[in-house]
Amino acid sequence: SQTIHQWPATLVQPVGSPLSLECTVEGTSNPNLYWYRQAAGRGLQLLFYSVGIGQISSEVPQNLSASRPQDRQFILSSKKLLLSDSGFYLCAWSIRGGNYGYTFGSGTRLTVV
Amino acid sequence: QKEVEQDPGPLSVPEGAIVSLNCTYSNSAFQYFMWYRQYSRKGPELLMYTYSSGNKEDGRFTAQVDKSSKYISLFIRDSQPSDSATYLCAMKETSGSRLTFGEGTQLTVNP
Repeated sequence: SQTIHQWPATLVQPVGSPLSLECTVEGTSNPNLYWYRQAAGRGLQLLFYSVGIGQISSEVPQNLSASRPQDRQFILSSKKLLLSDSGFYLCAWSIRGGNYGYTFGSGTRLTVV
Repeated sequence: QKEVEQDPGPLSVPEGAIVSLNCTYSNSAFQYFMWYRQYSRKGPELLMYTYSSGNKEDGRFTAQVDKSSKYISLFIRDSQPSDSATYLCAMKETSGSRLTFGEGTQLTVNP
């Protein structure tokens, strides 16, 4: 069966520090991969999605970047965190087409102080 | 105007009540409809998935799609305290893989 792993679960980082969040998927090949951010009490904001290795589409211009170095690995990064980067970050995967929905990871709660 | 509108609540009901959660949408190209449940500090999990119009039942949950009215619903029968969560609707066109999410409705079922 397919599983998605996301870590760390919580993170407290000072303003100006770098960020690296990692997500891996097991049990499937060539998945679509997604990074979302969810502010407290708000909906899901799509940040990046990827349909293959090295192929990244950015939805919202911002302080973050994403990379997909391997088929089932998706990384969210920042060189210098801002206070506004605080939030709940979710990785998700889907089959090509996404007709059966996405499967989400357990999320990373990031607090920038 | 947002493509998908969902009442954020909060919605509070007694245990055993029938709960109705709803979303409206404006994009007539949406063909795939989903409901996710998200517990506090957890990732959303897929509850129900339907294609085009009609009803789909799974245990205490029923998903209903009315494409003529651009309206979808999730009904929860015999609601339990464990159903307390945020429920998000999501929709997708036939082409592409982009899901459009509602903002979520926060539900509390009181014992």
